[in-house]
Parts: sequence; structure tokens; C-alpha cells
Amino acid sequence: EAGVVQSPRYKIIEKKQPVAFWCNPISGHNTLYWYRQNLGQGPELLIRYENEEAVDDSQLPKDRFSAERLKGVDSTLKIQPAELGDSAVYLCASSFGTSGRGEQYFGPGTRLTVT
Amino acid sequence: QQPVQSPQAVILREGEDAVINCSSSKALYSVHWYRQKHGEAPVFLMILLKGGEQKGHEKISASFNEKKQQSSLYLTASQLSYSGTYFCGTEYGEGKLIFGQGTELSVKP
Repeated sequence: EAGVVQSPRYKIIEKKQPVAFWCNPISGHNTLYWYRQNLGQGPELLIRYENEEAVDDSQLPKDRFSAERLKGVDSTLKIQPAELGDSAVYLCASSFGTSGRGEQYFGPGTRLTVT
Repeated sequence: QQPVQSPQAVILREGEDAVINCSSSKALYSVHWYRQKHGEAPVFLMILLKGGEQKGHEKISASFNEKKQQSSLYLTASQLSYSGTYFCGTEYGEGKLIFGQGTELSVKP
């Protein structure tokens, strides 16, 4: 079974530039999560989708971050414009069911460096 | 609301045991445990639901103390492959995980 796929794996951009991350969850997983992980910290939830619906986006900085999950499968997370403080690893995870309590399978992440 | 993990770091020799604690100031619904190796994705270990159950996974087990709002992860007869950062994720009934700051475990030969 294929795991959660993310691309790109690494991205270096200058501040004020836009950037987008893509995630393909495990087939059949209804719930998709985007997390941000700063160095030496645990993952922090940005947004959670149940199928196509964003059910928790309370931690998403909506002035510069946006996300979409068309057709309830793949998802894209965008930052525009990027700031120096956005440098982090962006992790996508998916789980089966819609309770948000199932075991989560994480992708390898995208390491973003903003210069 | 972020859970507090202790210790922050621990160094073991192969074959030694370790305990990692995860404490919450708020009533827990469930606790999830993950291990992350450097530069890799977090990997699921186990979930514990409120009710004080204990679970086991090979030589790694965990308990949930509802009275103390605390979960403990037990690693027995540690192996080199156990090295990594262990995170607990706490859930309070809303389906959202809040991760602790992590415990870095190093197992030496």
C-alpha cells in the first residue's frame, strides 16, 4: 500500500514569494491534515479536512495561508506571501474515518526555507 | 493546552528500560504516541482511550492514568532502532491532536 505522498520534498524561496505544497493521502482515507513542524517541536495542526470540508482551520493564518482539497482526495497548501518565520517542515497526514481520532499516517514532509 | 512531556531527552545503553511521561492540565479523551527519526515522518505507535487501558506493541507499551490525566510510554530492553524523538498527541474530544514538545531518546551500543 502506498503511503502519503508529498511534493516537493524541499523548497527554498525568498521572502514575499508564493509557495505551494501538494499532498496525496492514502487511498480511502477520508480525513486529511496539514501540520507545521518547527525545529525541535511537535507538529502543529494547521487544517483538517473531512472529505472536501475543512472542519478545523482555526490555526491556519488565513491572511497568507490557503488550502483546498478538491474532490476529497489530493490537497494543496499555499502560502502567499511567504515570511521568514514560515521556514519549517510542512507535514501532511491522513486517517481513515471522519472522527479525527484514528491513527494518522504522515507523509515525508516538505522542508521550506524562506530567505 | 499543549501536553508536557518528560524527560526532554534520555540516553540509554542497549537493553536498558525507559519511561516517557505525557501530562495534560485538561481532561483527556485519548492519547496518541508517535516516534520520529531525524529527517523522517512521525510513525504511529499506539492510541490509548480514556478508561485507563494499557496497550502493548512488541517491547513498547503504554498506560493511561485518567485520574492524573497522564500517559506513560514504556520501552523495555531498548534496541538501537528505538532511537528517535517520541511525541505524545493529546485529544480532548474534538478530534484534534495537540502534540507535546517531544522526548529525544538515544540508544547507544
